[in-house]
Amino acid sequence: DAGVIQSPRHEVTEMGQEVTLRCKPISGHNSLFWYRQTMMRGLELLIYFNNNVPIDDSGMPEDRFSAKMPNASFSTLKIQPSEPRDSAVYFCASSPGYGSLYEQYFGPGTRLTVT
Amino acid sequence: GIQVEQSPPDLILQEGANSTLRCNFSDSVNNLQWFHQNPWGQLINLFYIPSGTKQNGRLSATTVATERYSLLYISSSQTTDSGVYFCAVLTQGGSEKLVFGKGTKLTVNP
Repeated sequence: DAGVIQSPRHEVTEMGQEVTLRCKPISGHNSLFWYRQTMMRGLELLIYFNNNVPIDDSGMPEDRFSAKMPNASFSTLKIQPSEPRDSAVYFCASSPGYGSLYEQYFGPGTRLTVT
Repeated sequence: GIQVEQSPPDLILQEGANSTLRCNFSDSVNNLQWFHQNPWGQLINLFYIPSGTKQNGRLSATTVATERYSLLYISSSQTTDSGVYFCAVLTQGGSEKLVFGKGTKLTVNP
């Protein structure tokens, strides 16, 4: 299996621009998670989906962030408008079970820099 | 919420040495995972171990759920073991979120 796939791997954008991060989970997995990693806050869960349905988005920092999962093999995390404080590494993970009870597998991450 | 504390925060070893990393947590857990984040930033699964002992090559892990800690053992360390090791837990009856510790940064020198 190819593992979790994320694109782009690196993104540099200017403040105010829209940013879209993409994720393809492992085939057959039922849950998908978006995390953010920063030096100050470490790894934080932003949102997760079970069977393409958003279950918990309480970690999404503000309305500028939105996430969708239109089908079992694709999810997006969008930031509009982006701000310098959004600079971080964003990880997508998937799990064969439902929720965080089962083992999660992480993608390579997208390093976002907002100038 | 649950507290996850990892120790030591930093560890420097010579190649070939053994080490033990510790993860303490403040509540009962349903899920505990160990990850290795390599110098390129990739998060690699090491163990899914809410209880008991597992071994994979030079690495092994033990979780004593009743005493709320987990240990990761690295034997005959290699330079490729360098990176940050994270423990992540999911509490019983709590929010459905894996909570990560701050990690142990391991440097293995040749």
